[in-house]
Amino acid sequence: DSGVTQTPKHLITATGQRVTLRCSPRSGDLSVYWYQQSLDQGLQFLIQYYNGEERAKGNILERFSAQQFPDLHSELNLSSLELGDSALYFCASSVGTKGTEAFFGQGTRLTVV
Amino acid sequence: ILNVEQSPQSLHVQEGDSTNFTCSFPSSNFYALHWYRWETAKSPEALFVMTLNGDEKKKGRISATLNTKEGYSYLYIKGSQPEDSATYLCAFQANRDDKIIFGKGTRLHILP
Repeated sequence: DSGVTQTPKHLITATGQRVTLRCSPRSGDLSVYWYQQSLDQGLQFLIQYYNGEERAKGNILERFSAQQFPDLHSELNLSSLELGDSALYFCASSVGTKGTEAFFGQGTRLTVV
Repeated sequence: ILNVEQSPQSLHVQEGDSTNFTCSFPSSNFYALHWYRWETAKSPEALFVMTLNGDEKKKGRISATLNTKEGYSYLYIKGSQPEDSATYLCAFQANRDDKIIFGKGTRLHILP
């Protein structure tokens, strides 16, 4: 158990809908990273927060947004869902920013039908 | 665009043999290189984080080296065991921001 909790584990929703994925980092970790893993793709970096502030952004679609709350949990919001958004979404946390190992949650499997 | 390349994509190794694989990353603006082990149906787990040129790290039968000037890192597994079967990911962090950019991984299969 990495100490990072992601909910829900599985989510099935229809095209056009909006969903929220939740991540609770390890106790004491200030950084949260979000990744998307689609079929045959590696881990694609979406966005990173550190202590409530956005620190780095990847190729995150405009339909996607995220935030990190004062208690350090983070949410990834996906809207106007398309079939191609079906993927495994991972959250990872680390104590610092650069040079510290990341601890991954178990992921949320999103299926858009 | 940050490119992290891993080779080979897939590798079959006989149990008991040693093996190694490569991660290539941009040599400029380097901050850290990470290695993770990802077993099927689980989530990635950190093996090493290296920041200094010439760094060598070891954990049991697994070790890694780092050359930041030429932009590569090797992961070595000595005396492969069935439990070593997994995908091994490397990831790069640049100096300018905190992104951890992953390669696509090397999928290792240990043959009994």
